[in-house]
Amino acid sequence: AQKITQTQPGMFVQEKEAVTLDCTYDTSDQSYGLFWYKQPSSGEMIFLIYQGSYDEQNATEGRYSLNFQKARKSANLVISASQLGDSAMYFCAMREFTGGGNKLTFGTGTQLKVEL
Amino acid sequence: GAGVSQSPRYKVAKRGQDVALRCDPISGHVSLFWYQQALGQGPEFLTYFQNEAQLDKSGLPSDRFFAERPEGSVSTLKIQRTQQEDSAVYLCASSRDLLRGNQPQHFGDGTRLSIL
Repeated sequence: AQKITQTQPGMFVQEKEAVTLDCTYDTSDQSYGLFWYKQPSSGEMIFLIYQGSYDEQNATEGRYSLNFQKARKSANLVISASQLGDSAMYFCAMREFTGGGNKLTFGTGTQLKVEL
Repeated sequence: GAGVSQSPRYKVAKRGQDVALRCDPISGHVSLFWYQQALGQGPEFLTYFQNEAQLDKSGLPSDRFFAERPEGSVSTLKIQRTQQEDSAVYLCASSRDLLRGNQPQHFGDGTRLSIL
């Protein structure tokens, strides 16, 4: 079974609009962390935001927020006020603190295109 | 710069040749990871070091892949007798420490390996 599922291979959004990128995960660990990374066409992976499984509040970092629904095992990324520079590949990843070692397990990504 | 540095940026080799990919992590980062990213996919874990100790090599696809970090800083990923399926981007990441779960992994720009 896929540990991280990103069902949207591609998304389009108009500049200044908000967009939600979906991520669902599968784990039997009680303690885990969820990360979102951005990968522009240049290739570098840029850390955006983190949500821990025990965090009470949804994480926010500037224009990025994470809609964490633990019972549904979803951790969707919300980007508000989209900018042209947000066009990139976005990856959801999970670290399982108990059974997963220290590695990150990534989804297949969502390609976001911001249009004028 | 202050980020993770990988070299070379691009590497082309003939099938059967050995290659060595270098990673210089962020100064002071204890943990170092290697990932393999096939075209259109998310990164997949290869191996993990804590200082000079290789604590997890469960993701290495075969015994042709070998990684080392002898002094706990720079790491080298070596692939012997390369095959076409080894063509991918190899990403290195480092992290301050992993005692705190929310520590992100910081990635380099990757080495794009093409096997002819």
